[in-house]
Amino acid sequence: DTEVTQTPKHLVMGMTNKKSLKCEQHMGHRAMYWYKQKAKKPPELMFVYSYEKLSINESVPSRFSPECPNSSLLNLHLHALQPEDSALYLCASSQRHIAGGGANTGELFFGEGSRLTVL
Amino acid sequence: DAKTTQPNSMESNEEEPVHLPCNHSTISGTDYIHWYRQLPSQGPEYVIHGLTSNVNNRMASLAIAEDRKSSTLILHRATLRDAAVYYCIVSGAGSYQLTFGKGTKLSVIP
Repeated sequence: DTEVTQTPKHLVMGMTNKKSLKCEQHMGHRAMYWYKQKAKKPPELMFVYSYEKLSINESVPSRFSPECPNSSLLNLHLHALQPEDSALYLCASSQRHIAGGGANTGELFFGEGSRLTVL
Repeated sequence: DAKTTQPNSMESNEEEPVHLPCNHSTISGTDYIHWYRQLPSQGPEYVIHGLTSNVNNRMASLAIAEDRKSSTLILHRATLRDAAVYYCIVSGAGSYQLTFGKGTKLSVIP
């Protein structure tokens, strides 16, 4: 199984709602990532989890709250979002965040994304 | 991570080879070169990566300049399914964390 599964595929929410995006992988990967992608722009890194601990937060506003309950699951909790937060949210996983000895097998596995619309 | 420069867009005829260039003049000796592509309405997909030597896999070939300041992704026979945005990414040794640049939008003409 080489898939990263993201749910829901589409989400519409109001600015006062609380919702969550979910990401799951069963490849035994110990690093998981959230990226945000606006239309016609490249993906931008938001968070990195390594061995279920938050390793990197790229100065993301607190209205986005990540959670990694176990090595297979990654959630992104959303609260009080703004319309400009509407975007495609991509989850990815890799064997590790930093490979030992400088070796790099190079591969991030991405899900298909959750398309979020904030009204 | 080193910055990369790619053309905004390229066109290719179907069943012809495609050479997608990438400049990374500030690459350091231990940085890896990665290529990902993103088809419409999908997440990015790994294509190939390398360090110094040219690399081949079932999807593509990666040609790396001797000074490593540039590289070229080669699709040997473009198909309509290869129409995508192709991202060239340079990352530090051992790091799986990738910073995406603007990429090249490849159009394939039937």
